Amino acid sequence: GENVEQHPSTLSVQEGDSAVIKCTYSDSASNYFPWYKQELGKRPQLIIDIRSNVGEKKDQRIAVTLNKTAKHFSLHITETQPEDSAVYFCASNTGNQFYFGTGTSLTVIP
Amino acid sequence: DSGVTQTPKHLITATGQRVTLRCSPRSGDLSVYWYQQSLDQGLQFLIQYYNGEERAKGNILERFSAQQFPDLHSELNLSSLELGDSALYFCASSVAGGPETQYFGPGTRLLVL
Repeated sequence: GENVEQHPSTLSVQEGDSAVIKCTYSDSASNYFPWYKQELGKRPQLIIDIRSNVGEKKDQRIAVTLNKTAKHFSLHITETQPEDSAVYFCASNTGNQFYFGTGTSLTVIP
Repeated sequence: DSGVTQTPKHLITATGQRVTLRCSPRSGDLSVYWYQQSLDQGLQFLIQYYNGEERAKGNILERFSAQQFPDLHSELNLSSLELGDSALYFCASSVAGGPETQYFGPGTRLLVL
């Protein structure tokens, strides 16, 4: 089955700096890659997603890139703010199942 | 608010007991997913239903079972509970159960003592 690896597990950045979180997947049939933000004790919320026929997608300060050949995708957050502090999960979809990474705890230091 | 509801919000029970968690999907969504999130862990996919039928199975223990009813709400049954079953249980829904946005419910926090 699919295996999604996510790095780093923790990330601290200064406010205003950029943050990058990387994920790799194993199943070449995976075709949809969402990113979720989860604040402590809350539900995961979709922040951006990308399909396998697209290489990059941007939404304001958030962007996702996908390299199908290398089977990896990354989340980029620019001009980070304290409210960006949360756990971020990547996921891939294949065969109607979602496989999640183990999460990255992002702390933005004011 | 995602439109997905889960009850109860919190549940405290003892080892060996059985509990039922309930999920109502967003209006119009036919697919429901169940996930388990243990402390400091990621989301483990348990099972998926689409329009009343089981569609995909993940790491779901034999002590756990689920179903989706004709009105599309779903229930996750956990039996012979163990301490290690303590976790947040999320359900999520999507329109067709394929590669598309999932909307998560607020979760049920289960504590087994």
